[in-house]
Amino acid sequence: RKEVEQDPGPFNVPEGATVAFNCTYSNSASQSFFWYRQDCRKEPKLLMSVYSSGNEDGRFTAQLNRASQYISLLIRDSKLSDSATYLCGTQDSGYALNFGKGTSLLVTP
Amino acid sequence: GAGVSQSPSNKVTEKGKDVELRCDPISGHTALYWYRQSLGQGLEFLIYFQGNSAPDKSGLPSDRFSAERTGGSVSTLTIQRTQQEDSAVYLCASSPGLGAGAWFFGPGTRLTVL
Repeated sequence: RKEVEQDPGPFNVPEGATVAFNCTYSNSASQSFFWYRQDCRKEPKLLMSVYSSGNEDGRFTAQLNRASQYISLLIRDSKLSDSATYLCGTQDSGYALNFGKGTSLLVTP
Repeated sequence: GAGVSQSPSNKVTEKGKDVELRCDPISGHTALYWYRQSLGQGLEFLIYFQGNSAPDKSGLPSDRFSAERTGGSVSTLTIQRTQQEDSAVYLCASSPGLGAGAWFFGPGTRLTVL
């Protein structure tokens, strides 16, 4: 079983819609959590860190559920420019970030 | 300031040749990581460096892969006797320190082995 799993999608949503992604992780020792955005043929870029209390950045809200070992990303009022692949990453007490394969989002006019 | 840079951006080579990929981390970042991403696949961890400490090479897929980091800054990933399955995008990332939060990725080197 992969350490970090995501629904690959694609999620096709109309502009203005709200969309949510989940990411499950298997290592209960994971301590840090992140969402990255990756555009086609580009490198991953940090979207936001995920804190235990949940955090919000504009239209984006990230939450962590340690009991069920998943993190979520909610995007409100989707824009065409939100179309990308969203990667979740977890880090335990070690060093490497473990990434899921990503969830593809396509926002349509 | 400047982000992580990598060179070359693209590399096409013939099977059996050796290649060197370079990464310049963000100035002051002591942790440096190499990942690779194959088409439709997730990010596969290869190796990491923390300052001048010995690297953790546990993610390297074979002994044809090696990496070094000179002076705690620039890193080179070398692949000897390349195989077609080595074709991938090789991504370098740096962070302020081991386990210290967010990482920043370079643009990657797209390696194609013919």
